[in-house]
Amino acid sequence: DSGVTQTPKHLITATGQRVTLRCSPRSGDLSVYWYQQSLDQGLQFLIQYYNGEERAKGNILERFSAQQFPDLHSELNLSSLELGDSALYFCASSPRRGNEQFFGPGTRLTVL
Amino acid sequence: AQKVTQAQTEISVVEKEDVTLDCVYETRDTTYYLFWYKQPPSGELVFLIRRNSFDEQNEISGRYSWNFQKSTSSFNFTITASQVVDSAVYFCALPSGGSYIPTFGRGTSLIVHP
Repeated sequence: DSGVTQTPKHLITATGQRVTLRCSPRSGDLSVYWYQQSLDQGLQFLIQYYNGEERAKGNILERFSAQQFPDLHSELNLSSLELGDSALYFCASSPRRGNEQFFGPGTRLTVL
Repeated sequence: AQKVTQAQTEISVVEKEDVTLDCVYETRDTTYYLFWYKQPPSGELVFLIRRNSFDEQNEISGRYSWNFQKSTSSFNFTITASQVVDSAVYFCALPSGGSYIPTFGRGTSLIVHP
């Protein structure tokens, strides 16, 4: 158990819908990262927050957004969902940049 | 730009065989970290090791060992006497020098047969 929690574990929804994925980092970790893992794209970095502020952006679509709250938990919002958004979404946390990241169990999103 | 290549897409071995997973990387950074992660069938990514580019000593942890060779830009991972529980996808990762956001390889799927 990495100490990073993600909810929900599975999510099935329809095209055009909006969903929110939630992540709680390990106790004491200030950085939260979001990743998308799909068969064709592999593990892709989406966005990073550090102590409530956005620090780095990767291949995140405009339909996707995220935020980190004062209690350090983070949410990833996915809107206008398309079939291609079906993937495993991971959250990871680390105490500082450059340190290893500890991953949550992931949320498997299926868009029908 | 950072690049991590794991040329072996899938490796199949029989229990107790030794197996080496290759990782070749490209970076313009003079100092950097390298990571290995394991993703078992349950799906969660598990951190295995972090190596600083300053340290080229091989590292051993139980049945796991890592061979880092800066001259060939490789950071290979060997499992000795493999077990069925080692079956997983293994990822090599290289954080960028500026943002420390890791670039992951495509992963090597290791299947250990009983």
